[in-house]
Amino acid sequence: GAVVSQHPSWVICKSGTSVKIECRSLDFQATTMFWYRQFPKQSLMLMATSNEGSKATYEQGVEKDKFLINHASLTLSTLTVTSAHPEDSSFYICSARIIVDRGGPSGNTIYFGEGSWLTVV
Amino acid sequence: SQQGEEDPQALSIQEGENATMNCSYKTSINNLQWYRQNSGRGLVHLILIRSNEREKHSGRLRVTLDTSKKSSSLLITASRAADTASYFCATDKTGGGADGLTFGKGTHLIIQP
Repeated sequence: GAVVSQHPSWVICKSGTSVKIECRSLDFQATTMFWYRQFPKQSLMLMATSNEGSKATYEQGVEKDKFLINHASLTLSTLTVTSAHPEDSSFYICSARIIVDRGGPSGNTIYFGEGSWLTVV
Repeated sequence: SQQGEEDPQALSIQEGENATMNCSYKTSINNLQWYRQNSGRGLVHLILIRSNEREKHSGRLRVTLDTSKKSSSLLITASRAADTASYFCATDKTGGGADGLTFGKGTHLIIQP
C-alpha cells in the first residue's frame, strides 16, 4: 500500500483563488518532505524542501509567497498555491524519506505520493 | 536544477525485447535511483544504486553505474506491454535526507504487443 498519501488527486480552480494540497506520510514520521512540479511531458522539478517546525527551503526561481508550504507535524506537509493562474496548472508531487523505520521499507528510499493535478481556469 | 539527461527520450520496442535507457549526470552523487511513471500518475521506485556500487539487479531490471563517466543505464529484459511508461533517473547528492532528488528528463518507453 501507499506510504505517502496526497490529496486531492485532482482539482480545478478559478484563476485568482488559492488551492491547498496535502501530503501525508503513513505509518512513519518524516521531518523532511519535498514538493515537485511536473509540466506535461516534462520531468519533475524540485520546488521546495518542507521542514517540520521550520520554514521551507525554496529552489531558485520558485516564489515562496506564491507557493506556501506548511509542515506542521511529522506526518503532514501542505502546499498552498495562492492566487493561482492558468500557468500554475501542473502536476504537483510530494515525497518523503522515512526517518523512523517501524519495520517498513528501507530508510534510504524516498517515497512519492500519487500526485495532484491542478488545473486553473 | 535539472542535471540528469536520459537517452533516448523515446524508445519503442516489441514485447519480449530488451530495453536499455541511459542517464548522465553532472555532479558527484551519493546514490542514483530509477523511477517509473505511468501516464498521469505518481512515481514508482524501481531501484537504487549507491555510488560505490557498479551493478545491481532486481528481477528483470539491471542497473549499472559508472561514476567516472557520471552515467548509469537501466536495462529491462524480456519487456512486457505493462512496462510501457516513462522512466526517470534521479540523483541524490548527499543521501542524508536533507536534499531533494534531481531528476533527468526521462525516457518514454513504449512496448508494442
